[in-house]
Amino acid sequence: DTAVSQTPKYLVTQMGNDKSIKCEQNLGHDTMYWYKQDSKKFLKIMFSYNNKELIINETVPNRFSPKSPDKAHLNLHINSLELGDSAVYFCASSQGWQGNSPLHFGNGTRLTVT
Amino acid sequence: GENVEQHPSTLSVQEGDSAVIKCTYSDSASNYFPWYKQELGKGPQLIIDIRSNVGEKKDQRIAVTLNKTAKHFSLHITETQPEDSAVYFCAASIKAAGNKLTFGGGTRVLVKP
Repeated sequence: DTAVSQTPKYLVTQMGNDKSIKCEQNLGHDTMYWYKQDSKKFLKIMFSYNNKELIINETVPNRFSPKSPDKAHLNLHINSLELGDSAVYFCASSQGWQGNSPLHFGNGTRLTVT
Repeated sequence: GENVEQHPSTLSVQEGDSAVIKCTYSDSASNYFPWYKQELGKGPQLIIDIRSNVGEKKDQRIAVTLNKTAKHFSLHITETQPEDSAVYFCAASIKAAGNKLTFGGGTRVLVKP
């Protein structure tokens, strides 16, 4: 069974559209994250949630809105997509948010904006 | 904020040789240093981690060393195998800042048979 699963795996869309990426973890973790990996493979945190509460919110355009309906799910909605949003988005989870907890990553969603 | 630099960006080794990847960090408050391996089309996977109260940790062919004074840490892979070919990332985090990992830029390792 996949521990952290994301859907869809690939997402191709046009500028200006709104899209969502879903993430679910079955590890029983209480903290979930979204990371963005750009074309140069650089990984940067976007958000983290602990038990549905926002913990980390990096400098991300407010077109990006995470939603956590419960501690096993963290979805990412993106409004008015731009070319620069093209990247691979990774969901991750960990047990605890107070530092030093290993992250478990999903296999990513490759978003291409044309 | 924390800044993590990683070298080299690419590394080619012959099967059976050792590979070493080095990282430096900027914030002396960082106290957790994981290493991740990312294979093509997959997410990063934790391979080993070290905390600031430990200078060295080993797990089979993989070892990590930490020098807090110099603010650098390294990953050593011995007896490399073709399946070790991947992109490796170092990272650092500060406990007080939540579980926020700052990643290095990655090292693409190619093990030639």
